[in-house]
Amino acid sequence: GESVGLHLPTLSVQEGDNSIINCAYSNSASDYFIWYKQESGKGPQFIIDIRSNMDKRQGQRVTVLLNKTVKHLSLQIAATQPGDSAVYFCAENGSSNTGKLIFGQGTTLQVKP
Amino acid sequence: DSGVTQTPKHLITATGQRVTLRCSPRSGDLSVYWYQQSLDQGLQFLIQYYNGEERAKGNILERFSAQQFPDLHSELNLSSLELGDSALYFCASSPSVGTGEKLFFGSGTQLSVL
Repeated sequence: GESVGLHLPTLSVQEGDNSIINCAYSNSASDYFIWYKQESGKGPQFIIDIRSNMDKRQGQRVTVLLNKTVKHLSLQIAATQPGDSAVYFCAENGSSNTGKLIFGQGTTLQVKP
Repeated sequence: DSGVTQTPKHLITATGQRVTLRCSPRSGDLSVYWYQQSLDQGLQFLIQYYNGEERAKGNILERFSAQQFPDLHSELNLSSLELGDSALYFCASSPSVGTGEKLFFGSGTQLSVL
């Protein structure tokens, strides 16, 4: 079935360093990808999204890269801060046209002070 | 604050019981989505409603049902509860039904079945 997978379950970085969280997706028909951040006890919070007609999109301290050739998505966080500690999910829209998103398993980002 | 409201925040019940989870979408959003989050399954899509009509169905059990009311709020009904139904249940909303929209999530209902 459709699946979105994450390469690493836990990523530990030093405060101030850059973080890179990777994600593989399996559905070639997906044309919309999105990253969410989930803090303990809260719902997923939108970080950044990208459509398949783009390779890169930048936000405030975050950048998403999309490589359609190898079906790979990454989230880069610059100057990682303790407040960035959370679980990060990638998601794709799959082949449906309903708006639902298919989520990966999540990567835990731990920021060491 | 996403603008999506879920109640209750916590629910503790016994096996065999039935519960109702409620969701109010962001103002103006017509689509409501329900997701289940458990430790070993991640965020699993259950069902979507758009303007009162069922739009998409995921791996939702037959014991579970949902509906969206004319005022666009939605309820997820879980019946004959089992221990394995313990999970976080999230509601999300989006403006329309078009693919390629971000979903806005509520803070979830933590269901514990004892």
